[in-house]
Amino acid sequence: NFMLTQPHSVSESPGKTVTISCTRSSGSIASNYVQWYQQRPGSSPTTVIYEDNQRPSGVPDRFSGSIDSSSNSASLTISGLKTEDEADYYCQSYDSSTLWVFGGGTKLTVL
Amino acid sequence: EVQLVQSGAEVKKPGESLKISCKGSGYSFTSYWIGWVRQMPGKGLEWMGIIYPGDSDTRYSPSFQGQVTISADKSISTAYLQWSSLKASDTAMYYCARATVTTGDYWGQGTLVTVSS
Repeated sequence: NFMLTQPHSVSESPGKTVTISCTRSSGSIASNYVQWYQQRPGSSPTTVIYEDNQRPSGVPDRFSGSIDSSSNSASLTISGLKTEDEADYYCQSYDSSTLWVFGGGTKLTVL
Repeated sequence: EVQLVQSGAEVKKPGESLKISCKGSGYSFTSYWIGWVRQMPGKGLEWMGIIYPGDSDTRYSPSFQGQVTISADKSISTAYLQWSSLKASDTAMYYCARATVTTGDYWGQGTLVTVSS
């Protein structure tokens, strides 16, 4: 079993770029795909990145995902920040015994 | 358009039973898994389990095994999450999601369950 660790919160100004990390505690980050979900206040989660770096249709290309084997982490990068991007972001991956593993979530504040 | 529509909010007393639902449309219900996720007030997402409506293959998170039952009725494209005896600690928002074994993609709007005496 492994855990996914995210920063509790990040903040950045409109128009800037922010990166949210998701570090896997054991095993290789590259061994299973990572997904990223956005949850705006009072709403259900939506997928913004799947399979490490794929964007569902309708998600702006300001959102991008990547993995870094050297730090054993995945990252979600949002460029050209807008106030509407203010939300909680969760990473998620797969473990063969416990199946879905979620990170603890990161609160993004756009100020 | 893929849609998952969940049943409405519930207020129950400790010890009562409950079954909430998640109806899928806009895709082949028997070709995807349905996952259930808990979100306690002010907290993060916790995976509970998944079911494959095509053959009712069900898998539970160790944290929820024995605490809830997941089922599905493919004839009406609906999945269920049920409790036999609710506790105050079951108070949470519950989401269903269209899924594969490894992840979810489309999510329902959530069902708020409040358990209070």
